[in-house]
Amino acid sequence: SQTIHQWPATLVQPVGSPLSLECTVEGTSNPNLYWYRQAAGRGLQLLFYSVGIGQISSEVPQNLSASRPQDRQFILSSKKLLLSDSGFYLCAWSTNTEAFFGQGTRLTVV
Amino acid sequence: AQSVAQPEDQVNVAEGNPLTVKCTYSVSGNPYLFWYVQYPNRGLQFLLKYITGDNLVKGSYGFEAEFNKSQTSFHLKKPSALVSDSALYFCAVSPPVSGSARQLTFGSGTQLTVLP
Repeated sequence: SQTIHQWPATLVQPVGSPLSLECTVEGTSNPNLYWYRQAAGRGLQLLFYSVGIGQISSEVPQNLSASRPQDRQFILSSKKLLLSDSGFYLCAWSTNTEAFFGQGTRLTVV
Repeated sequence: AQSVAQPEDQVNVAEGNPLTVKCTYSVSGNPYLFWYVQYPNRGLQFLLKYITGDNLVKGSYGFEAEFNKSQTSFHLKKPSALVSDSALYFCAVSPPVSGSARQLTFGSGTQLTVLP
């Protein structure tokens, strides 16, 4: 069966520090991969999606970047975190008919 | 561009009563429609989907949703609510496969509170 792993579950980082959140998928090949951010426990904002290795599309301009070094690995990064980067980050992968989500990372920038 | 509206930020219902969480959508062509549930500090869990076929879709935990093409709606329902159903619910829409990456567009979420 397919599973998705996302870590860490929680993270507290100082302003100006770098960020790396990792997401891996098991049990499927060539998935579409996504990073979402959820602010204040409500709506989901699509940040990045990827249809294959090295192929990244950005939905909104921001202080973040994404990379896909392997087929089933998706990384969210920042060189210097801002206070406004705080939020709940969700990784997801999709088939043609549904999407599956990781458990999320609660990022607090202090 | 596709969009999803969940007109109610908050829905309160007494335990044992029926519940409805509303969703309307806008998308070109025949949509794929989804409901997800989120518990505090957790990822989204898939509840049900409509792809094609019967307009009434049955999903996990006794939930169901009815696709209404003329009203462009996909309301989530349950005949008898449980306190454990209290959570944040998201409706989502996706366009038919076009060869590019499938993108789910989510509604803003509805907080369901079931009162004992």
